[in-house]
Amino acid sequence: GNSVTQMEGPVTLSEEAFLTINCTYTATGYPSLFWYVQYPGEGLQLLLKATKADDKGSNKGFEATYRKETTSFHLEKGSVQVSDSAVYFCALRTSGSRLTFGEGTQLTVNP
Amino acid sequence: GAGVSQSPRYKVAKRGQDVALRCDPISGHVSLFWYQQALGQGPEFLTYFQNEAQLDKSGLPSDRFFAERPEGSVSTLKIQRTQQEDSAVYLCASSLEGSGRGRYGYTFGSGTRLTVV
Repeated sequence: GNSVTQMEGPVTLSEEAFLTINCTYTATGYPSLFWYVQYPGEGLQLLLKATKADDKGSNKGFEATYRKETTSFHLEKGSVQVSDSAVYFCALRTSGSRLTFGEGTQLTVNP
Repeated sequence: GAGVSQSPRYKVAKRGQDVALRCDPISGHVSLFWYQQALGQGPEFLTYFQNEAQLDKSGLPSDRFFAERPEGSVSTLKIQRTQQEDSAVYLCASSLEGSGRGRYGYTFGSGTRLTVV
């Protein structure tokens, strides 16, 4: 079956620090990969996605590269801001089926 | 509408009470999903509709949970005889895509927070 494993949180960084949140996956078939972000009190928002190997998804300074050889989709940002504080979910979807989510990583960025 | 709308936003139910949660997906979106998100956890799949057809209900935790989408747009998730373990945020999501490799992400609603007391 499908599964997603994220690095355990919480993660606390100072503003302008470099961010990496690790994500690895197990999937039957050839998945599309996603990062979702959940701000306090809000629903999930799509942050970025990649649909095939070596694709790089990017948005709002965040990037993640679909690595088929290591079954990974790590999220990175070069310089985080206080407003990036949220919970980040890695997810995958295979043909015609549901999204499978990781457990989420809580990020707190301090001024 | 512009986004996925869920109502109510908050619901407090007494144990044993029946509840109904509503989801209005984005107009024209073929796929509709319900997820359950327990506190501090990632969303867990409950059920999936393609238009009015419920194609997958394998995630529904018990026969107390029932979902419908009779006209292929609005969906209702019903929980009968609620229990404390049903307390969670219930998320609805819709997608333009009906099938395929999931090239499109979903658009999620803000969720309904259900508290069973």
